[in-house]
Amino acid sequence: QKEVEQDPGPLSVPEGAIVSLNCTYSNSAFQYFMWYRQYSRKGPELLMYTYSSGNKEDGRFTAQVDKSSKYISLFIRDSQPSDSATYLCAMTYLSGGSNYKLTFGKGTLLTVNP
Amino acid sequence: DAGVIQSPRHEVTEMGQEVTLRCKPISGHDYLFWYRQTMMRGLELLIYFNNNVPIDDSGMPEDRFSAKMPNASFSTLKIQPSEPRDSAVYFCASLGTGRQETQYFGPGTRLLVL
Repeated sequence: QKEVEQDPGPLSVPEGAIVSLNCTYSNSAFQYFMWYRQYSRKGPELLMYTYSSGNKEDGRFTAQVDKSSKYISLFIRDSQPSDSATYLCAMTYLSGGSNYKLTFGKGTLLTVNP
Repeated sequence: DAGVIQSPRHEVTEMGQEVTLRCKPISGHDYLFWYRQTMMRGLELLIYFNNNVPIDDSGMPEDRFSAKMPNASFSTLKIQPSEPRDSAVYFCASLGTGRQETQYFGPGTRLLVL
């Protein structure tokens, strides 16, 4: 079983739709959870991060972590064509020498159609 | 700030040739990471440095791969000899201490080994 599983999609939605992107993980030691956005032929860029369980909101984006289910989500409200990109989840341990080593999901390709 | 700089942006080479990828991290960042991204395996960490010292190279696929960081503003990833299965996009990322979630990625080097 891979440490982080993410449905690769592709996911195609109309403009204005609510988008839900998800990852599951197997290692209960993960404490820091991140979402990166990667536009075509660009490097990933950090979108949001959360520590442990709970929700975090930033504008149209909400990140949710359920540690009991080992499940994280990213919700995009009022999706825009400019949100079209690949979204990668990433996670790491909180302490110790490995806390800079991120484990990524494979990414979900999202297209928002005007 | 120019961000993380990588060169070359594209590289096409023949099997058996030596390939050298270069990276200049963001000034002041003391962590540097090398990743490889493929459709099959997603984004994988190859090696990372702290203050120019390699900390974890467990992701380096085999002895054909080597990485160096001779100073705080420059790193190389070398593949010798290259093989077609090394074809991928190679990313360099840098990070400042205390912000473990925010790795800044370069634009990547797209490598094709024929």
